[in-house]
Amino acid sequence: EAGVTQFPSHSVIEKGQTVTLRCDPISGHDNLYWYRRVMGKEIKFLLHFVKESKQDESGMPNNRFLAERTGGTYSTLKVQPAELEDSGVYFCASSQGLSRGYQETQYFGPGTRLLVL
Amino acid sequence: AQSVTQLGSHVSVSEGALVLLRCNYSSSVPPYLFWYVQYPNQGLQLLLKYTSAATLVKGINGFEAEFKKSETSFHLTKPSAHMSDAAEYFCAVSFIQGAQKLVFGQGTRLTINP
Repeated sequence: EAGVTQFPSHSVIEKGQTVTLRCDPISGHDNLYWYRRVMGKEIKFLLHFVKESKQDESGMPNNRFLAERTGGTYSTLKVQPAELEDSGVYFCASSQGLSRGYQETQYFGPGTRLLVL
Repeated sequence: AQSVTQLGSHVSVSEGALVLLRCNYSSSVPPYLFWYVQYPNQGLQLLLKYTSAATLVKGINGFEAEFKKSETSFHLTKPSAHMSDAAEYFCAVSFIQGAQKLVFGQGTRLTINP
């Protein structure tokens, strides 16, 4: 079974440009999460989808970030316009979506390393 | 607010020595605790998790962790370090109340000396 995949693995853009990150969760997983690790800091939650609906977007830094999950399958995270402080590693994770979601294992992708110059 | 603290951003041990990575949490509600490992150029992989069953949890690659409520700790141990254990380790918590997001510690980079 394929794991969580993310594309691209690396992205280098200039300040003010737009970048779109993609995440493909494990097939059949209803829950999809985005996290971010800024250099030297802890991994922080950005948002959580249940199927195509945003369950929790309390971690989104500002309105330059837009996440979508079309048809409850893959998800995209768009940063527009990118700023220097957006640099970091963006992780996607998925879980099945059983009743006790807080106990479920979240399976992580390899991350997208974003560098904004 | 709930939080996780990992004591020591870098830990170095000799091959064959005991590995001890510390994790403490702060929470007013029952926590569910996880240890993840990230090898170079890979994603996070689950090592083990505590979900209110046995307090001593065994994971993959010979690691185990013990939940101690009185100490609010979930330290990760391995009796004998192997060179392949070199990686970054993350302690994370989720909570029965509220959202299902994971709250992570700062991470501990483990170096194994030959």
